[in-house]
Parts: sequence; C-alpha cells; structure tokens
Amino acid sequence: QKEVEQDPGPLSVPEGAIVSLNCTYSNSAFQYFMWYRQYSRKGPELLMYTYSSGNKEDGRFTAQVDKSSKYISLFIRDSQPSDSATYLCAMMPGAQKLVFGQGTRLTINP
Amino acid sequence: DTGVSQDPRHKITKRGQNVTFRCDPISEHNRLYWYRQTLGQGPEFLTYFQNEAQLEKSRLLSDRFSAERPKGSFSTLEIQRTEQGDSAMYLCASSPRASGRFTSYNEQFFGPGTRLTVL
Repeated sequence: QKEVEQDPGPLSVPEGAIVSLNCTYSNSAFQYFMWYRQYSRKGPELLMYTYSSGNKEDGRFTAQVDKSSKYISLFIRDSQPSDSATYLCAMMPGAQKLVFGQGTRLTINP
Repeated sequence: DTGVSQDPRHKITKRGQNVTFRCDPISEHNRLYWYRQTLGQGPEFLTYFQNEAQLEKSRLLSDRFSAERPKGSFSTLEIQRTEQGDSAMYLCASSPRASGRFTSYNEQFFGPGTRLTVL
C-alpha cells in the first residue's frame, strides 16, 4: 500500500464549477501538507502549504487537512480553463523528503 | 528569474552512456532535493543535501547514481551506464534555511526538470 493515495482521474468539469481534489495517507507522522500544480512537461508549482489540521484559503483555492481522518483536500472555486493541469498532493514529517500522491489530471471545459 | 534552474532541459542518450545534470537552487536556500518522475506518477525522492552534506539517499538511488553539492550551492546528478528504465523527468527542488525571514522553511520549490530519454 502506498503511503499517499490520490485518485489519478482524469477529472473533467465545466468552467465555473467547484473542484474538489483529495488525498488519503497512512503515515501519522506527516505534519506538513502541500498541493502542487503541474502543467504538461513542466516542474511542479507550489500552490498551497499547510501545517497540521485546519483550513487555509488563498484566492480561489482552499486547502483542508483532517489529521484525525488522514485526509486532505484542495478546493478550487470558480474554476477556469487555465486551471487545467495535474494536481499533486505531497506531505512530509519534517524538514525532509516530500512523499507525493500519483496526481489527479484535471480538465476545465470552457 | 530567481527560481530553481536545471540544465539541460532535455537529454537523449544511448544505453550505457553516462549523463550529468545540473541544478542551481534559489539563492539563500540551503537545502536541495532531487526527485525522479515517470509518466503518470508523482515525483519520487532520490536524495537531499543540507549545504554540502548529503543527508539522505533513497533506495531508488542505485550505485550507478551519484549526486554532489561541492560548495553548498549548485548540485550535479550523474547516472553512469544508463539503462532504458532510467528514462524519466529528473526534478530538483530547494528550500530555505530556518529563519524568521521565511514564513515556512519547509516549502520546496521545484525547477523545470531535466527530461532524460535513454534509447
């Protein structure tokens, strides 16, 4: 079993929809949680960073962490075609290596 | 541009050849990471440095792989006797030293990657 599980999709939604992306994990030592966006053949771009449980909002993006359920989410409001990309969840126990999910491929249709 | 840079962006080589990639981290970042990403998968950790010290290596890093960061600035990743299974995107990331200046010193910022194709 992988330490981080993420549904690879693909996920296709109409423009303006609310998108929900999720990951589950098994390692209770994970403390830092991140979401990256990756366009085709590019490096991952850091979108959101959270520490421990709770919510964090940044513009149209909201990240949620529920450590009791070992479950993290990323919500995208008012989705735009430019949001079409692969979204990767990542986490780590401390100042060490990131453990990534498989990535969810998202398409926003105009 | 003050982001992480990697060179070359693409490398095509024949099986059995040696290749070397370079990564220049964001200035003032003392930690540098190497990851490998294959098609349809998330990046997998290979190794990381704090300043010039290599602190951790993954089981993925066979003895054909070697990484260095001689002066605590740029880093190189060398693959000897390449195999077709080495074909992947090699990503470098850096993160800043712990200080009050940064709101979080665990954020890792990635470069554009080096895409390796082994024929």
